[in-house]
Amino acid sequence: EAQVTQNPRYLITVTGKKLTVTCSQNMNHEYMSWYRQDPGLGLRQIYYSMNVEVTDKGDVPEGYKVSRKEKRNFPLILESPSPNQTSLYFCASSLSVESVLYGYTFGSGTRLTVV
Amino acid sequence: GQQLNQSPQSMFIQEGEDVSMNCTSSSIFNTWLWYKQDPGEGPVLLIALYKAGELTSNGRLTAQFGITRKDSFLNISASIPSDVGIYFCAGRDYGQNFVFGPGTRLSVLP
Repeated sequence: EAQVTQNPRYLITVTGKKLTVTCSQNMNHEYMSWYRQDPGLGLRQIYYSMNVEVTDKGDVPEGYKVSRKEKRNFPLILESPSPNQTSLYFCASSLSVESVLYGYTFGSGTRLTVV
Repeated sequence: GQQLNQSPQSMFIQEGEDVSMNCTSSSIFNTWLWYKQDPGEGPVLLIALYKAGELTSNGRLTAQFGITRKDSFLNISASIPSDVGIYFCAGRDYGQNFVFGPGTRLSVLP
């Protein structure tokens, strides 16, 4: 089944403890992206990647890192999480950056709480 | 950056009723997408619009690309309980900026 898989689904952590949220897609998509969803703000893009070894900042990149060493994986790294990073995170992919206009495939989300 | 507004923010309707919601932008868009997010899941694409005035249906859903290019509308006819969720609009302006709206939360009462 074509899908985007995120792990974990739920995570509670403490301020300052480094964490990684994994994202993997099995559709050979070139374009991958991370979004955070907050009430009243919708989905805001954190980082995106047009292809392997090519990443760029989205609208809210502060406090986050990403890497794209392989086409299928796009992990989101929080080096020193803070409470304002408590949010629902989504990984999404599409065949190419142009294909975003035909729709993303989203993962099921990771609900992160930083205390 | 570019922002989209969605109206209403939330709505409670009776099963069987029709639903209307809209999305507006301060600038002209060349693409409008409508997504639905079920509770506990990621958004799923419902309808895509690429031309001003375009009207597209997907089952009980109908969406329109506004003639001004600054808005889009989504209608759901004869709502059912599984229509519950958050509906997001998304779009791209002529500056190639792609953004999501804040969402409309729909609740359907039996």
